[in-house]
Amino acid sequence: DQQVKQNSPSLSVQEGRISILNCDYTNSMFDYFLWYKKYPAEGPTFLISISSIKDKNEDGRFTVFLNKSAKHLSLHIVPSQPGDSAVYFCAAKREGAQKLVFGQGTRLTINP
Amino acid sequence: DTGVSQDPRHKITKRGQNVTFRCDPISEHNRLYWYRQTLGQGPEFLTYFQNEAQLEKSRLLSDRFSAERPKGSFSTLEIQRTEQGDSAMYLCASSLDPGGKEKLFFGSGTQLSVL
Repeated sequence: DQQVKQNSPSLSVQEGRISILNCDYTNSMFDYFLWYKKYPAEGPTFLISISSIKDKNEDGRFTVFLNKSAKHLSLHIVPSQPGDSAVYFCAAKREGAQKLVFGQGTRLTINP
Repeated sequence: DTGVSQDPRHKITKRGQNVTFRCDPISEHNRLYWYRQTLGQGPEFLTYFQNEAQLEKSRLLSDRFSAERPKGSFSTLEIQRTEQGDSAMYLCASSLDPGGKEKLFFGSGTQLSVL
């Protein structure tokens, strides 16, 4: 069962505009959420995270929003830059557990 | 470079052969993870070590898979009698986690192709 879902396999955004990547989860026991970015031939790199006690976390151009009642989180990138073109993975973790559960990923392409 | 290092980067093998991958984590990290990623999917958890102790294994890790982390430093993942379904990217990650918030640092992975 896919506990973390990213329903958009790809997203194309014009440079300078806002990119919004979405993620849904089914397990209400998840209490910590992360976004990772992956370039080709490299491993995923940590981008930003949010605890379930918050509804927003911001780091520079990146903001993650969490809606616990809807079991939904989103990553906003503004303004989008060509270097943001990558695959973005949403991940979630239960309290006390060690493993991360990843979504399928969304390929973001920023067009000049 | 003090990142997570994996070797080899690519491995092509014939069905039925054994393969072994190595991971060198960031030196001060006590936690080490193995994940597997197939095309179009996100990484899937395989197993986790705290120091030298293997504390959790996924049901994905069949009897043909074994992982070790002697002395709590580098780790190896061995797959015996490989099958075509084992073809995937095998990712290693490490973390230093005093607070339970898992910021994992991933290596570049080993791409396994089983012919």
